[in-house]
Amino acid sequence: DVKVTQSSRYLVKRTGEKVFLECVQDMDHENMFWYRQDPGLGLRLIYFSYDVKMKEKGDIPEGYSVSREKKERFSLILESASTNQTSMYLCASRDHSSTDTQYFGPGTRLTVL
Amino acid sequence: QKEVEQNSGPLSVPEGAIASLNCTYSDRGSQSFFWYRQYSGKSPELIMSIYSNGDKEDGRFTAQLNKASQYVSLLIRDSQPSDSATYLCAVNWGGTSYGKLTFGQGTILTVHP
Repeated sequence: DVKVTQSSRYLVKRTGEKVFLECVQDMDHENMFWYRQDPGLGLRLIYFSYDVKMKEKGDIPEGYSVSREKKERFSLILESASTNQTSMYLCASRDHSSTDTQYFGPGTRLTVL
Repeated sequence: QKEVEQNSGPLSVPEGAIASLNCTYSDRGSQSFFWYRQYSGKSPELIMSIYSNGDKEDGRFTAQLNKASQYVSLLIRDSQPSDSATYLCAVNWGGTSYGKLTFGQGTILTVHP
């Protein structure tokens, strides 16, 4: 069974803190993604990785960085958290077979005070 | 900026009716199209994908694609209260995008008994 896990369901941080969000998939997928979801805005792509150590910016990369040292793990880093980064963060892993499905983790609700 | 727009909601239909969800996209070169369902407090899950013009049926769900008019729709027949969720349209722009998706803002569907 497909499984994408995220390190925390809920996280509260202070402005200026460095924040790490972890995502792990057990499906040997090459492509992984980080989105944020805000009411009325849908899911917006922050960064994605198409292989180990390979990454590309998505639509809203400002204020974020990523790390992919191992195939199964993709980390999102908020270098200096700000209140406008309060959001739901969703990680996804892509099966690029004929189904081309993205499988999502349960999400991390981040609040920056 | 490539855009995906969904019909504004929320959409409310009675049990047993047909629910119609619509989505338009800005790039004629788009190659693949997806409908995700997201229950409240949960992460999105793929329910339909479509790649060529016409209809694709899967149980009570039918996806329709018209590339000339740049729209994709999802019909849910015999709607059930369990179909109440947010439906997200997503587009893969193709090329070497590694499965990168752009999502619409979502349409909230409520099926009332």
